[in-house]
Amino acid sequence: GAVVSQHPSWVICKSGTSVKIECRSLDFQATTMFWYRQFPKQSLMLMATSNEGSKATYEQGVEKDKFLINHASLTLSTLTVTSAHPEDSSFYICSARSPGLTTGELFFGEGSRLTVL
Amino acid sequence: DAKTTQPTSMDCAEGRAANLPCNHSTISGNEYVYWYRQIHSQGPQYIIHGLKNNETNEMASLIITEDRKSSTLILPHATLRDTAVYYCIVISGSSGDKLTFGTGTRLAVRP
Repeated sequence: GAVVSQHPSWVICKSGTSVKIECRSLDFQATTMFWYRQFPKQSLMLMATSNEGSKATYEQGVEKDKFLINHASLTLSTLTVTSAHPEDSSFYICSARSPGLTTGELFFGEGSRLTVL
Repeated sequence: DAKTTQPTSMDCAEGRAANLPCNHSTISGNEYVYWYRQIHSQGPQYIIHGLKNNETNEMASLIITEDRKSSTLILPHATLRDTAVYYCIVISGSSGDKLTFGTGTRLAVRP
């Protein structure tokens, strides 16, 4: 079964509203989680690294004030898309590595599909 | 991290072996080759990784050339459920768990 879980699986919202997506590691603690975005027929693009107890590290070109990341516990990271607009519609995916696995061997969540009307 | 090149798409018959190539000619000595796959509308799934020796697990085999400039992922008996986009990723210790996905190979397994 999945060891990294996301919620919600899909969400539809109106333009201008904010949407929160949760990423949980179900049976391990993750000090670091990663958030990706994937547009239709494109590859995954890393948005940011979520660090437990500290600020997230954003990739170049990703607006930190628009994509708020909170990693308040060792099993939960949240991504909030603030003032969402239609161009933010995408598939958002998180990942984490279970302790004991080698670097690069990550579990990914099922993804959360956001549609902004 | 070294850049990878993969064919855009491939297909194979169900029950036959699927051989997916990846070119990573600029790979350096401390970089590993990882393979992930993404079934439609799902998150990616780790398959296998290797440094220079061939590797095999319950999902697939990974063959890395002696010069390490290319590799092949082998699904020995492809099933319809193996239809997915397969990503070859080169990872160094400095990049850690930050994976950079290329465009991958879209594998279609036909009945």
